Amino acid sequence: QVQLQESGPGLVKSSETLSLTCTVSGGSISNYYWSCLRQPPGKGLEWIGYISYSGSTNYNPSLKSRVTMSVDTSKNQFSLKLSSVTAADTAVYYCARHLPSYGHVFDYWGQGTLATVSS
Amino acid sequence: EIVLTQSPATLSLSPGERATLSCRASQSVYNYLAWYQQKPGQAPRLLIYDASNRATGIPARFSGSGSGTDFTLTISSLEPEDFAVYYCQQRNNWPTFGPGTKVDIK
Repeated sequence: QVQLQESGPGLVKSSETLSLTCTVSGGSISNYYWSCLRQPPGKGLEWIGYISYSGSTNYNPSLKSRVTMSVDTSKNQFSLKLSSVTAADTAVYYCARHLPSYGHVFDYWGQGTLATVSS
Repeated sequence: EIVLTQSPATLSLSPGERATLSCRASQSVYNYLAWYQQKPGQAPRLLIYDASNRATGIPARFSGSGSGTDFTLTISSLEPEDFAVYYCQQRNNWPTFGPGTKVDIK
């Protein structure tokens, strides 16, 4: 059973960079695509971007200028960096796996980690 | 950006009743529409993909239909564990989600 675990700082200062690491266990990161998504408290879901096991990426156009994703297959991890954060970036951040052969369909999710942007 | 709208915002039903949830897209997404269930404090759970395919382990009481711009999620007979928020999501363009329908106990 594939499991994803997010780890992040919890509290990030405004204008700084939010960093999130997703660790995959119970399976290999190889041969899959992986996404990061977020959900502001009490609100809906927003896709941030994806990365493949080989390192190809695609980002939400509304966030593209601030997002960088990377993958480390040796550690079975992928990471998100979101720069120049503001209070609007306060959210629960999720990692998710893409259902093979179905593009942006998310079949396994991490439990999520809350990132709060403080001034 | 493809905008998804869901109706109703809240659906108040009793266990055993049938639930019908609607999702409408601002332009055609063909059949590239998924449904997720989310309970408080938990991550979303994939229920249906490509409009009508149940994900692994999802009970048969959940079914999806539709194509183009209009989609429906039906729960044939609500179980106590089905009271949750349901989101639709399209993958025709970069993925976007609807605002959700909350199914609560009447």
